Amino acid sequence: GNSVTQMEGPVTLSEEAFLTINCTYTATGYPSLFWYVQYPGEGLQLLLKATKADDKGSNKGFEATYRKETTSFHLEKGSVQVSDSAVYFCALTGNTGNQFYFGTGTSLTVIP
Amino acid sequence: DVKVTQSSRYLVKRTGEKVFLECVQDMDHENMFWYRQDPGLGLRLIYFSYDVKMKEKGDIPEGYSVSREKKERFSLILESASTNQTSMYLCASSFRQYTQYFGPGTRLTVL
Repeated sequence: GNSVTQMEGPVTLSEEAFLTINCTYTATGYPSLFWYVQYPGEGLQLLLKATKADDKGSNKGFEATYRKETTSFHLEKGSVQVSDSAVYFCALTGNTGNQFYFGTGTSLTVIP
Repeated sequence: DVKVTQSSRYLVKRTGEKVFLECVQDMDHENMFWYRQDPGLGLRLIYFSYDVKMKEKGDIPEGYSVSREKKERFSLILESASTNQTSMYLCASSFRQYTQYFGPGTRLTVL
C-alpha cells in the first residue's frame, strides 16, 4: 500500500541555519510527491511538488528532489527565517485513484 | 486564484447536537475531501467524494456522514456530536490525483 514516513519533530533552528526534513515513502507505481506547509491557525498550502523521478520541486527557497532509488523526498532550505516557522507535511498521491497520503507532520520553529 | 472556503473558523457545540460543516470550492474540481487533524496524528481522512452524490469512506468515517448535492459543495455532518470529535477539520479539493487545495480549517469544540 501507499504510505509516507517523515521525521518527527519538533525541530528548532536558529535563523539562517540549514534545514533538512526527511521524508520517505512506500508506493505502488509512480506516485507524485508533495510538501505542504501549515502556518499557525491556517489550512495547508502547497509548498512544492515533483511528479516523476529525479524531478526537483522548489519554492520560496525550499527544495526537494524525487529520489526513486531511495524512495525519498527530503525537504531542504539553505537559510531558514523566523517566518518559516510552521508545520511541514510530506504527501504522495498514486497514479491511480484520487487519495492523498500524508505524513504526520514536522513542526519547525526558527528562533532569531 | 484557487479558493476553498469553510463555513466557520471556530465552532462550539454541545454533546448530542447535530453539526454541519460546509465546504465550497470554486475550481470545478471533481474530488473533495474531509480530514481531521489532531496533535501527533497528522491528517486522517474521514470521507471523500469523486463526483456529485458519490462518496467513499476514508480511514475514520465512524460518527460522520457527508453530503454532496452540488459539485462545488461538500458537507460533513456529525449526527450526534461527542467530545472525542473535538478537532480541527480540514476540507480539500482536487482535480483527479493532482494537487489538493485546502480550506482554512474549522476548529470544532464539543462540550
